[in-house]
Amino acid sequence: AQSVTQLDSHVSVSEGTPVLLRCNYSSSYSPSLFWYVQHPNKGLQLLLKYTSAATLVKGINGFEAEFKKSETSFHLTKPSAHMSDAAEYFCVVTRNTGGFKTIFGAGTRLFVKA
Amino acid sequence: GAVVSQHPSRVICKSGTSVKIECRSLDFQATTMFWYRQFPKKSLMLMATSNEGSKATYEQGVEKDKFLINHASLTLSTLTVTSAHPEDSSFYICSARDPQRVYEQYFGPGTRLTVT
Repeated sequence: AQSVTQLDSHVSVSEGTPVLLRCNYSSSYSPSLFWYVQHPNKGLQLLLKYTSAATLVKGINGFEAEFKKSETSFHLTKPSAHMSDAAEYFCVVTRNTGGFKTIFGAGTRLFVKA
Repeated sequence: GAVVSQHPSRVICKSGTSVKIECRSLDFQATTMFWYRQFPKKSLMLMATSNEGSKATYEQGVEKDKFLINHASLTLSTLTVTSAHPEDSSFYICSARDPQRVYEQYFGPGTRLTVT
């Protein structure tokens, strides 16, 4: 069985400070992991993905995530938050063994204070 | 990257009418498309998997007679909300799989449906 847990429903940071959005997963198969961002009333934009290559993945807009198999984690980080980063972030796991399946985390709302 | 479009982006309809939402893959052929529903401040909920040339597979609890899905070509899937009611108001998002990229799916921009 697969599951995705985003550990924080809300995260609030000040502009210019680091961002950490936490995601833990469980999967019976080798998973592919993704982070998406969604701004209000918009669709999903892919930030980055892990598909069994390098464990440290760099994405767009300065975001990166590290796949840690021993901790079953795929936390999203950014060194310095910008006001435009305020949005909803989804951690997603997919597998393509025994049928294509996608599991969404519940989402983390990021607030950025001036 | 691959592009998926949805039309319309917003629609307002009266209770009892039907609404059709289109999902198109613009630069690849998608044998499989997915339809999601997103309630306010919630995550995406998979409604159904749409396979080209065959019947859609609906998730448990999704009424197939209410949410009609047609995937008549490799680049187009449609979701028709029949006899819409205010509780059907939601954000509907489609995604499409590119068979050349095993683990990835590409999301459309979403359609905001409001039933009055």
